Amino acid sequence: NAGVTQTPKFRVLKTGQSMTLLCAQDMNHEYMYWYRQDPGMGLRLIHYSVGEGTTAKGEVPDGYNVSRLKKQNFLLGLESAAPSQTSVYFCASSFLGPNEQYFGPGTRLTVT
Amino acid sequence: SQQGEEDPQALSIQEGENATMNCSYKTSINNLQWYRQNSGRGLVHLILIRSNEREKHSGRLRVTLDTSKKSSSLLITASRAADTASYFCATLQGAQKLVFGQGTRLTINP
Repeated sequence: NAGVTQTPKFRVLKTGQSMTLLCAQDMNHEYMYWYRQDPGMGLRLIHYSVGEGTTAKGEVPDGYNVSRLKKQNFLLGLESAAPSQTSVYFCASSFLGPNEQYFGPGTRLTVT
Repeated sequence: SQQGEEDPQALSIQEGENATMNCSYKTSINNLQWYRQNSGRGLVHLILIRSNEREKHSGRLRVTLDTSKKSSSLLITASRAADTASYFCATLQGAQKLVFGQGTRLTINP
């Protein structure tokens, strides 16, 4: 039982490049979330999904897209990376709603 | 927008002592959660306290909630080196949006 895994762990992008972050969970959770964590800012919700095939915007969705084609996977895409997107990205999942979320280990992204 | 705010921002104590962290929030809540984050790792859920509860225990953790003051506290008793981490409170804004505070950095000195 791996819990929540994230790929890759680290990535450096140049401005304008695109990439996809993969989140996978093996707990059969319905709900999945993408957050970013910046120094002094706590975690902020980017997008979330309440089930396979659904996505919704969170607090800071601009510049990101997501897809949930399979229940166990939640992808976060950056179409044209900007330096402001330098951050640590965390994926989380939960069985029922936003309580008691399980977090992945994070992806550290640097955009130069 | 910041819903929960932790106090203090940083706390350093000796191993074996108790650590108390506080969280204040602005709007009415259904529940309040506490999470721990070890350096370079993801968050781990510690405890959830509902709005109709005043106190809850889990092992060495004790959480209190005062809805009249819109505040919560997390007490860690008999601290250990492994308790060194950042601690976040989180409350709901809307149906799915969990809002985290900036966290308290706790350091346990041997």
